[in-house]
Amino acid sequence: DTGVSQNPRHKITKRGQNVTFRCDPISEHNRLYWYRQTLGQGPEFLTYFQNEAQLEKSRLLSDRFSAERPKGSFSTLEIQRTEQGDSAMYLCASSLAEAGDTQYFGPGTRLTVL
Amino acid sequence: AQRVTQPEKLLSVFKGAPVELKCNYSYSGSPELFWYVQYSRQRLQLLLRHISRESIKGFTADLNKGETSFHLKKPFAQEEDSAMYYCALRFHTGGFKTIFGAGTRLFVKA
Repeated sequence: DTGVSQNPRHKITKRGQNVTFRCDPISEHNRLYWYRQTLGQGPEFLTYFQNEAQLEKSRLLSDRFSAERPKGSFSTLEIQRTEQGDSAMYLCASSLAEAGDTQYFGPGTRLTVL
Repeated sequence: AQRVTQPEKLLSVFKGAPVELKCNYSYSGSPELFWYVQYSRQRLQLLLRHISRESIKGFTADLNKGETSFHLKKPFAQEEDSAMYYCALRFHTGGFKTIFGAGTRLFVKA
C-alpha cells in the first residue's frame, strides 16, 4: 500500500466547466476527509465520510460542490460550474477510527480555474 | 466559533537554538489538538497529538487550557526541522471536524 492517492495531480479548467477529483484511501480505512488549501492558509475542512456515509459537510461548501464515497472505499469530489475562486489545492485524507484515527494525507490535486 | 490561530507566519532560528511555535485555539468544549508538519515536497503528516503526551523528533507540546494554547517546542533546532507546521483542533459535531491554523514556516539556519 503506497498510502492515500489522488488523481489527477493537476487540473486546469476554464470557468464554468465541471471537474471531478478522485481519492483512494489507505485500504480498510473507514474515515475519509476532503480539505481545500489556498496559498498561505492551512487546510480548510470540506467534508467527512464514515464508510459510505457523509457525516459532516462544511457550511462553507456551496451547492456546486458534491462528494461521494459509494462503496466506502474511494471517494470523488465534484465541482460544478467552476469559478476562479475555486482555484486551490484539494487534499484528501483517510484514517482508521479503531487505530488512533490518525489522518494520512494524499499528495493533493491542484486545481487552476482560468 | 472554533478557531486556531498561529500568530507567526515565519520563524527563523539558528541551528542549536530553542524553538517555540505558537498556537492558540478557541473552543468551548474539551479540545483535541494536533501538530502537523509538511516538509518540502512531502505530504502533510501528523507530528504529535496532545493526548499522546509524547516527544516526536525532539518536539513536545503541552496543552494549556487556561491560556487556550498548544505551543510546539524543541530545545535545540536542527536544519532538518525546516518545514511548514500547522496546529489543528478536532471536535465532534455529529461527525468529526478538524480545523487548521494558517501555519508557521520554520527556517533553521546553519
